[in-house]
Amino acid sequence: EIVLTQSPDTLSLSPGERATLSCRASQTIRNTYLAWYQQKPGQAPRLLIYGASSRATGIPDRFSGGGSGTDFTLTISRLEPEDFGVYYCQQYGSFLFTFGPGTKVDIK
Amino acid sequence: EVQLVQSGAEVKKPGESLKISCKGSGYRFPSYWIGWVRQMPGKGLEWLGIIYPGDSDTRYSPSFQGQVTMSADKSINTAYLQWSSLKASDTAIYYCARHRLSNEDYNYSLDVWGQGTTVTVSS
Repeated sequence: EIVLTQSPDTLSLSPGERATLSCRASQTIRNTYLAWYQQKPGQAPRLLIYGASSRATGIPDRFSGGGSGTDFTLTISRLEPEDFGVYYCQQYGSFLFTFGPGTKVDIK
Repeated sequence: EVQLVQSGAEVKKPGESLKISCKGSGYRFPSYWIGWVRQMPGKGLEWLGIIYPGDSDTRYSPSFQGQVTMSADKSINTAYLQWSSLKASDTAIYYCARHRLSNEDYNYSLDVWGQGTTVTVSS
């Protein structure tokens, strides 16, 4: 089973700053199998990025995904107040989905 | 509008059974995998498994195989998650989510989520 790790655990930033979140897989995964989600307190998660770099419907272009192999990143170019929350990466393989432990982005 | 609407919060005692539901609308329900995600209090997301309502093909996470049962009724666009004997450690929010497993648009993700069902198990 592929294990995902995310870093950092917490990222403290100010609105307008750039956020770079990391997701590392224990084995190489296909780019198409990597997705990112945002979760705000008291809300269900929301899909941001699929296929490692494709934005989901309605997601602003300040969110971008990249990476390949075992190392993937989610970048938020300029943080808006509504972007603070927890971000999870997710991978798929053989009818099995797994999530990373999450990175919390909070207000500095 | 594509939507998943889940049943309401439940409070149960250890050993009791429970079945929660997730109703889809705005899309062709039988043609998309639908699955469940657990979030224990203050913790991250854990994937339980998926079911294809069209033929009831079901796949479980090894961690949850035997612990829960998934089912679906395509005639009423509803998926279910059930427990035969609840434990205190089942206390969590359970989300249903539409799953995309698509080679056509390279999309293997959970693209639509329900609002969550809070399950509390306490004596």
